[in-house]
Amino acid sequence: GAVVSQHPSRVICKSGTSVKIECRSLDFQATTMFWYRQFPKQSLMLMATSNEGSKATYEQGVEKDKFLINHASLTLSTLTVTSAHPEDSSFYICSAIGAENWNTEAFFGQGTRLTVV
Amino acid sequence: GDSVTQMEGPVTLSEEAFLTINCTYTATGYPSLFWYVQYPGEGLQLLLKATKADDKGSNKGFEATYRKETTSFHLEKGSVQVSDSAVYFCALILNQAGTALIFGKGTTLSVSS
Repeated sequence: GAVVSQHPSRVICKSGTSVKIECRSLDFQATTMFWYRQFPKQSLMLMATSNEGSKATYEQGVEKDKFLINHASLTLSTLTVTSAHPEDSSFYICSAIGAENWNTEAFFGQGTRLTVV
Repeated sequence: GDSVTQMEGPVTLSEEAFLTINCTYTATGYPSLFWYVQYPGEGLQLLLKATKADDKGSNKGFEATYRKETTSFHLEKGSVQVSDSAVYFCALILNQAGTALIFGKGTTLSVSS
């Protein structure tokens, strides 16, 4: 199946700094990418949807100035957590779909464990 | 609104026991349905899927049938293994391009030998 690579897998940062997480589709063109956040023992919460070349659409309650999403190409989307605080510590997962299989499969990255100290 | 409801866990079974994880959905139109599995510290892997009513998805001994009349997509496996211990998510996607998967809350399965 198609591969989505997410990097880094783990990151520890100091409070007040910014962290960038990359999500790449390695063997297909991802027309749409999704960013999720997962709290311990909970389901995935959709944060935002991004289409290549356009601004991301954020879900209600997600601060777009804090969670900056860029989808500059058909194979790369980035999530930047700006001025991170301990409450931003979480597991972040990206997902990508292609134009041809958008309703039959979404491919997920390995996830990024962010710890803000 | 559109949603997925799955049984709460944890589900604790002995090796070789029969597994059922219930999943029901509410959606407009005819969604595609999925089961994803998440092993500790990892992302999600597609386990199986069904894109229309009466379709049966199957993989690695797991099965689920898309039941439109009961709006259900229950996951079953006849004989679980310790290696099946993971969190299982039922999900749907609406038939609208560019929409995200809608997930259930996940069910933790723990299998002991």
